[in-house]
Amino acid sequence: DAKTTQPNSMESNEEEPVHLPCNHSTISGTDYIHWYRQLPSQGPEYVIHGLTSNVNNRMASLAIAEDRKSSTLILHRATLRDAAVYYCILRDVLLGGSEKLVFGKGTKLTVNP
Amino acid sequence: DTAVSQTPKYLVTQMGNDKSIKCEQNLGHDTMYWYKQDSKKFLKIMFSYNNKELIINETVPNRFSPKSPDKAHLNLHINSLELGDSAVYFCASTRTQQNTGANVLTFGAGSRLTVL
Repeated sequence: DAKTTQPNSMESNEEEPVHLPCNHSTISGTDYIHWYRQLPSQGPEYVIHGLTSNVNNRMASLAIAEDRKSSTLILHRATLRDAAVYYCILRDVLLGGSEKLVFGKGTKLTVNP
Repeated sequence: DTAVSQTPKYLVTQMGNDKSIKCEQNLGHDTMYWYKQDSKKFLKIMFSYNNKELIINETVPNRFSPKSPDKAHLNLHINSLELGDSAVYFCASTRTQQNTGANVLTFGAGSRLTVL
């Protein structure tokens, strides 16, 4: 399974931008970079994914390094509701097209009022 | 409408008992998963079914038996429950696009199993 490395925890203040880093130096050419988050007492939820280009959606932005060995999830204005564990995942494609998400430890984001 | 629903949400039982957790998705997805999150909050995949066919079976004891009666349902039956089975079990589903890594998973809210 392709590995990712994230800081264990980060803190932010409400309404400030948050940059969550992820290193994935062993990424292969066909690996997509996915971000999920898990709010307290809830199931993981999809945030964003990308392959090579930067991506934006209503929840966040994903900045992917040119060599694809690292990426950054950007929350433009953190709210208290964004406090969660954020997982950076390389999409593991198995033989026959089967896929699985392999979760690491993630980054626990604390948002201060 | 809940996209991926699991029942029960909480389950407390004695060691040695047999229990089941049910999962249903109304998203029209063809692939479903079971994940286990232990007390250290580490999420590990257990099983995956595509169109009722088992495609992923991680190193899980034989006491765990998934069953998929149709592609909208994936149930998890656990025999002879042990203390170490206590965890939160998450069901998830996706629509599989072959040979890409772009599929997005939708997770249920989880079923917390406590074995006494």
